[in-house]
Amino acid sequence: DAMVIQNPRYQVTQFGKPVTLSCSQTLNHNVMYWYQQKSSQAPKLLFHYYDKDFNNEADTPDNFQSRRPNTSFCFLDIRSPGLGDAAMYLCATSREGDRVAGYTFGSGTRLTVV
Amino acid sequence: QQPVQSPQAVILREGEDAVINCSSSKALYSVHWYRQKHGEAPVFLMILLKGGEQKGHDKISASFNEKKQQSSLYLTASQLSYSGTYFCGTVEFYGGSQGNLIFGKGTKLSVKP
Repeated sequence: DAMVIQNPRYQVTQFGKPVTLSCSQTLNHNVMYWYQQKSSQAPKLLFHYYDKDFNNEADTPDNFQSRRPNTSFCFLDIRSPGLGDAAMYLCATSREGDRVAGYTFGSGTRLTVV
Repeated sequence: QQPVQSPQAVILREGEDAVINCSSSKALYSVHWYRQKHGEAPVFLMILLKGGEQKGHDKISASFNEKKQQSSLYLTASQLSYSGTYFCGTVEFYGGSQGNLIFGKGTKLSVKP
């Protein structure tokens, strides 16, 4: 089945140690998003790629970076994780111009910072 | 701009109905509804695109009042499987096209036997 896959499902990292989360999709969607969701809160958009064009939300900290080497893969890099970065990180995709489908989310990566 | 959802939480008995509301202060391109169960990713329920549009499947439906920039999600004859947090997501007009999906704070729905 076409889907969005996130790895790993759970990630534990040390305070200040760089960490990378990955997302892959078989839907061939041209737009990919990264959301951060803290406990009992709404998902918050960090940035998105429209094809290869990177778009950062104004309030996304510089500590968060992203790479999209090709259509299928997207990575979230946290350069120096702090305790406040512990959250569920959700990758989502959509197809530009598709007016009837919503976003397709991966299962998420739950990040713990120790 | 984050849409406003209400109520924050609802507790139902099986078979009861519920309405969840979502409103925005901005002109909306579309409204999405998602359900998220604990520890899982949000699951897409439906999207509403035009003012006055109504959609539904099974016993879950939604409406979109474009002029009032409001949408409502209707759950009828609730089942235990309906439990979860419901998020509305709004897409605003941005530069003549559509912006990105911004989620409301969610409504936690609990259905009891």
